[in-house]
Amino acid sequence: KQEVTQIPAALSVPEGENLVLNCSFTDSAIYNLQWFRQDPGKGLTSLLLIQSSQREQTSGRLNASLDKSSGRSTLYIAASQPGDSATYLCAVIRGFGNEKLTFGTGTRLTIIP
Amino acid sequence: DGGITQSPKYLFRKEGQNVTLSCEQNLNHDAMYWYRQDPGQGLRLIYYSQIVNDFQKGDIAEGYSVSREKKESFPLTVTSAQKNPTAFYLCASTQRGNTGELFFGEGSRLTVL
Repeated sequence: KQEVTQIPAALSVPEGENLVLNCSFTDSAIYNLQWFRQDPGKGLTSLLLIQSSQREQTSGRLNASLDKSSGRSTLYIAASQPGDSATYLCAVIRGFGNEKLTFGTGTRLTIIP
Repeated sequence: DGGITQSPKYLFRKEGQNVTLSCEQNLNHDAMYWYRQDPGQGLRLIYYSQIVNDFQKGDIAEGYSVSREKKESFPLTVTSAQKNPTAFYLCASTQRGNTGELFFGEGSRLTVL
Protein backbone atom coordinates (compact mmCIF):
# COMPACT_ATOMS: atom_id res chain seq x y z
CA LYS A 1 0.00 0.00 0.00
CA GLN A 2 1.35 3.40 -1.02
CA GLU A 3 2.13 5.72 1.90
CA VAL A 4 3.00 9.39 1.48
CA THR A 5 4.77 11.31 4.23
CA GLN A 6 5.42 15.01 4.57
CA ILE A 7 7.87 16.13 7.23
CA PRO A 8 7.84 18.50 9.01
CA ALA A 9 4.12 18.97 9.68
CA ALA A 10 4.72 22.68 10.27
CA LEU A 11 7.48 25.11 9.30
CA SER A 12 8.08 28.80 10.03
CA VAL A 13 10.69 30.85 8.18
CA PRO A 14 11.47 34.57 7.89
CA GLU A 15 10.36 36.41 4.78
CA GLY A 16 12.87 36.36 1.95
CA GLU A 17 14.41 33.00 2.74
CA ASN A 18 14.52 30.10 0.32
CA LEU A 19 12.97 26.90 1.64
CA VAL A 20 12.40 23.26 0.76
CA LEU A 21 9.37 21.12 1.52
CA ASN A 22 9.70 17.36 1.48
CA CYS A 23 7.47 14.54 0.28
CA SER A 24 8.35 10.84 0.63
CA PHE A 25 6.51 7.87 -0.82
CA THR A 26 6.99 4.16 -0.27
CA ASP A 27 6.17 2.72 -3.71
CA SER A 28 8.32 4.06 -6.55
CA ALA A 29 5.96 2.73 -9.25
CA ILE A 30 4.16 6.04 -9.72
CA TYR A 31 2.47 7.65 -12.73
CA ASN A 32 2.98 11.23 -11.59
CA LEU A 33 3.24 13.44 -8.52
CA GLN A 34 1.32 16.65 -7.93
CA TRP A 35 1.94 19.49 -5.46
CA PHE A 36 -0.98 21.52 -4.12
CA ARG A 37 -1.47 24.55 -1.95
CA GLN A 38 -4.40 24.88 0.45
CA ASP A 39 -5.38 28.08 2.24
CA PRO A 40 -7.47 27.77 5.45
CA GLY A 41 -11.05 26.75 4.70
CA LYS A 42 -10.39 26.59 0.96
CA GLY A 43 -9.99 23.98 -1.71
CA LEU A 44 -6.69 22.76 -3.14
CA THR A 45 -4.89 24.75 -5.80
CA SER A 46 -2.63 22.82 -8.17
CA LEU A 47 0.92 24.16 -8.16
CA LEU A 48 3.01 21.71 -10.16
CA LEU A 49 2.64 18.27 -11.66
CA ILE A 50 5.66 16.08 -12.41
CA GLN A 51 5.18 13.12 -14.68
CA SER A 52 7.12 9.93 -13.91
CA SER A 53 9.48 10.51 -16.85
CA GLN A 54 10.42 14.00 -15.64
CA ARG A 55 12.93 15.07 -13.02
CA GLU A 56 11.61 18.53 -12.24
CA GLN A 57 9.09 21.23 -13.06
CA THR A 58 9.29 24.99 -12.51
CA SER A 59 6.68 27.69 -12.18
CA GLY A 60 7.80 31.15 -11.17
CA ARG A 61 9.46 30.93 -7.75
CA LEU A 62 8.52 27.28 -7.37
CA ASN A 63 10.57 24.30 -8.41
CA ALA A 64 9.54 20.70 -7.81
CA SER A 65 11.88 17.75 -8.24
CA LEU A 66 11.20 14.04 -8.36
CA ASP A 67 13.52 11.14 -7.56
CA LYS A 68 11.52 7.96 -8.02
CA SER A 69 14.37 5.62 -7.07
CA SER A 70 14.64 7.15 -3.61
CA GLY A 71 10.90 7.80 -3.26
CA ARG A 72 11.28 11.53 -2.75
CA SER A 73 10.02 14.81 -4.11
CA THR A 74 10.92 18.30 -2.98
CA LEU A 75 9.20 21.63 -3.49
CA TYR A 76 11.62 24.55 -3.49
CA ILE A 77 10.24 28.03 -2.85
CA ALA A 78 12.58 30.90 -3.62
CA ALA A 79 12.49 34.29 -1.90
CA SER A 80 9.53 33.43 0.31
CA GLN A 81 6.74 35.97 0.86
CA PRO A 82 4.01 36.22 3.52
CA GLY A 83 1.49 35.29 0.81
CA ASP A 84 3.17 31.89 0.54
CA SER A 85 1.79 30.99 3.98
CA ALA A 86 -0.49 27.99 3.47
CA THR A 87 -0.55 24.22 3.76
CA TYR A 88 1.30 22.40 1.01
CA LEU A 89 0.26 18.89 0.07
CA CYS A 90 1.78 16.38 -2.27
CA ALA A 91 -0.13 13.57 -3.94
CA VAL A 92 1.17 10.50 -5.70
CA ILE A 93 -0.70 8.83 -8.52
CA ARG A 94 0.21 5.21 -8.94
CA GLY A 95 -1.90 4.26 -11.92
CA PHE A 96 -3.46 5.86 -14.95
CA GLY A 97 -6.72 6.50 -13.14
CA ASN A 98 -6.70 9.07 -10.36
CA GLU A 99 -8.59 6.76 -8.07
CA LYS A 100 -5.16 5.49 -7.11
CA LEU A 101 -4.03 8.89 -5.89
CA THR A 102 -2.61 9.03 -2.36
CA PHE A 103 -2.22 12.30 -0.45
CA GLY A 104 0.26 13.29 2.20
CA THR A 105 -1.02 15.09 5.30
CA GLY A 106 0.73 18.30 4.33
CA THR A 107 3.22 20.83 5.67
CA ARG A 108 1.77 24.01 7.17
CA LEU A 109 4.08 26.84 6.13
CA THR A 110 4.20 30.20 7.87
CA ILE A 111 6.29 33.03 6.43
CA ILE A 112 7.18 35.57 9.12
CA PRO A 113 7.21 39.20 7.88
CA ASP B 1 -13.88 31.17 -16.32
CA GLY B 2 -13.61 27.39 -16.22
CA GLY B 3 -13.68 25.69 -12.90
CA ILE B 4 -15.41 23.57 -10.32
CA THR B 5 -18.25 24.98 -8.24
CA GLN B 6 -19.29 23.41 -4.97
CA SER B 7 -22.38 24.41 -3.01
CA PRO B 8 -23.29 25.15 -0.36
CA LYS B 9 -20.04 26.34 1.20
CA TYR B 10 -21.38 25.72 4.72
CA LEU B 11 -24.12 23.28 5.69
CA PHE B 12 -25.60 22.31 9.03
CA ARG B 13 -27.47 19.10 9.47
CA LYS B 14 -29.44 17.55 12.28
CA GLU B 15 -28.72 13.96 13.12
CA GLY B 16 -30.82 11.57 11.07
CA GLN B 17 -31.11 13.86 8.05
CA ASN B 18 -29.74 13.26 4.58
CA VAL B 19 -28.00 16.16 2.86
CA THR B 20 -26.77 16.61 -0.71
CA LEU B 21 -23.64 18.51 -1.70
CA SER B 22 -23.49 19.88 -5.21
CA CYS B 23 -20.47 19.76 -7.53
CA GLU B 24 -20.57 21.26 -11.02
CA GLN B 25 -17.66 21.60 -13.46
CA ASN B 26 -17.40 23.40 -16.79
CA LEU B 27 -13.95 22.06 -17.66
CA ASN B 28 -15.39 19.28 -19.85
CA HIS B 29 -13.56 16.75 -17.68
CA ASP B 30 -14.54 13.10 -17.87
CA ALA B 31 -13.60 12.06 -14.34
CA MET B 32 -14.92 13.49 -11.10
CA TYR B 33 -14.12 12.68 -7.48
CA TRP B 34 -15.31 13.31 -3.95
CA TYR B 35 -12.82 13.52 -1.09
CA ARG B 36 -13.26 14.00 2.62
CA GLN B 37 -10.74 15.98 4.67
CA ASP B 38 -10.44 15.76 8.45
CA PRO B 39 -7.95 17.65 10.62
CA GLY B 40 -4.58 15.90 10.78
CA GLN B 41 -5.51 13.37 8.11
CA GLY B 42 -4.83 13.20 4.43
CA LEU B 43 -7.64 13.44 1.92
CA ARG B 44 -9.66 10.25 1.64
CA LEU B 45 -11.52 9.18 -1.47
CA ILE B 46 -15.27 8.65 -1.07
CA TYR B 47 -16.52 8.02 -4.62
CA TYR B 48 -15.29 8.61 -8.13
CA SER B 49 -16.78 8.55 -11.61
CA GLN B 50 -14.84 8.20 -14.83
CA ILE B 51 -17.78 8.47 -17.23
CA VAL B 52 -21.43 9.45 -17.16
CA ASN B 53 -23.77 6.91 -15.57
CA ASP B 54 -20.91 5.05 -13.93
CA PHE B 55 -19.25 5.49 -10.54
CA GLN B 56 -17.08 3.49 -8.15
CA LYS B 57 -16.65 3.35 -4.38
CA GLY B 58 -13.52 4.80 -2.90
CA ASP B 59 -11.90 3.98 0.42
CA ILE B 60 -14.67 5.35 2.68
CA ALA B 61 -17.94 5.04 0.71
CA GLU B 62 -20.10 3.74 3.56
CA GLY B 63 -22.88 6.18 4.42
CA TYR B 64 -22.52 8.13 1.17
CA SER B 65 -24.19 7.94 -2.24
CA VAL B 66 -23.59 9.65 -5.60
CA SER B 67 -25.04 9.94 -9.08
CA ARG B 68 -23.54 10.93 -12.43
CA GLU B 69 -26.40 11.67 -14.80
CA LYS B 70 -24.61 14.52 -16.55
CA LYS B 71 -20.95 14.95 -17.42
CA GLU B 72 -20.71 18.27 -15.60
CA SER B 73 -22.46 17.24 -12.37
CA PHE B 74 -21.52 14.84 -9.57
CA PRO B 75 -23.65 15.38 -6.43
CA LEU B 76 -22.81 13.66 -3.14
CA THR B 77 -25.48 12.66 -0.63
CA VAL B 78 -24.43 12.21 2.97
CA THR B 79 -26.95 9.83 4.45
CA SER B 80 -28.02 9.28 8.04
CA ALA B 81 -26.02 6.05 7.95
CA GLN B 82 -22.74 8.02 7.96
CA LYS B 83 -21.70 7.88 11.61
CA ASN B 84 -19.33 10.84 11.65
CA PRO B 85 -20.27 13.18 8.80
CA THR B 86 -18.83 16.42 10.16
CA ALA B 87 -15.96 17.20 7.79
CA PHE B 88 -14.72 19.28 4.88
CA TYR B 89 -15.78 17.81 1.53
CA LEU B 90 -13.85 18.43 -1.66
CA CYS B 91 -14.87 17.73 -5.23
CA ALA B 92 -12.26 17.32 -7.95
CA SER B 93 -12.05 16.54 -11.64
CA THR B 94 -9.53 15.57 -14.29
CA GLN B 95 -9.40 14.92 -18.01
CA ARG B 96 -8.73 11.25 -18.62
CA GLY B 97 -6.05 10.42 -21.14
CA ASN B 98 -4.17 13.60 -20.25
CA THR B 99 -1.46 14.18 -17.63
CA GLY B 100 -3.82 13.29 -14.82
CA GLU B 101 -3.65 16.75 -13.25
CA LEU B 102 -6.37 17.07 -10.66
CA PHE B 103 -8.38 20.26 -10.12
CA PHE B 104 -10.43 21.00 -7.00
CA GLY B 105 -13.45 23.04 -6.02
CA GLU B 106 -13.54 25.34 -2.99
CA GLY B 107 -15.05 22.75 -0.69
CA SER B 108 -18.17 22.37 1.44
CA ARG B 109 -18.03 22.23 5.22
CA LEU B 110 -20.71 20.03 6.77
CA THR B 111 -21.47 20.23 10.47
CA VAL B 112 -23.84 17.88 12.23
CA LEU B 113 -25.65 19.50 15.14
